Amino acid sequence: DTGVSQDPRHKITKRGQNVTFRCDPISEHNRLYWYRQTLGQGPEFLTYFQNEAQLEKSRLLSDRFSAERPKGSFSTLEIQRTEQGDSAMYLCANSPRSSPYDYGYTFGSGTRLTVV
Amino acid sequence: AQKVTQAQTEISVVEKEDVTLDCVYETRDTTYYLFWYKQPPSGELVFLIRRNSFDEQNEISGRYSWNFQKSTSSFNFTITASQVVDSAVYFCALSDAHSGNTPLVFGKGTRLSVIA
Repeated sequence: DTGVSQDPRHKITKRGQNVTFRCDPISEHNRLYWYRQTLGQGPEFLTYFQNEAQLEKSRLLSDRFSAERPKGSFSTLEIQRTEQGDSAMYLCANSPRSSPYDYGYTFGSGTRLTVV
Repeated sequence: AQKVTQAQTEISVVEKEDVTLDCVYETRDTTYYLFWYKQPPSGELVFLIRRNSFDEQNEISGRYSWNFQKSTSSFNFTITASQVVDSAVYFCALSDAHSGNTPLVFGKGTRLSVIA
């Protein structure tokens, strides 16, 4: 696979429900990032994994958010008790082990969440 | 703190015109990386270029060119002879290079519309 896949592409949920998104990275890349992008803004960093280890979390990642990357492969981002303010595009990015600066990050197409 | 400012929210040009997208950044780091990404309507962020802080040489790639000036903390992007397919939101981003893992800090983006 030459790209980062995210599923689902769109999710509409009622306030208070839990949602889970999935990211399937490029197989040989071991760094995985989650970003959130609200309307009219640039992406904002949420969290970062190197293999299965979650190494960094942003202050944006409240305790309602949890991310996992079992076995260092795909990753999931779960939001519990969703709020309308969670409505955004959630982007997954992947970078090579050598350096994210050599090639830039490869982003997926994102999951657009709408909380009604 | 790192910050990226893209003062132009929206730009509209007629096909074949040249257009420059501005990017001004702030960082206390002496070593850092700058990026440009394109986000077409499909939502995926497409990597365009990376530049490190020690390389002020301007770069040209086809119709795209970048002008990096440390003295003014700017990293501007020019599209020559614009085409309708260039219509997208363009993001400038910054990251320090100390750890190799630091996430990107994005500007708010500039929406470019190229009219046929």
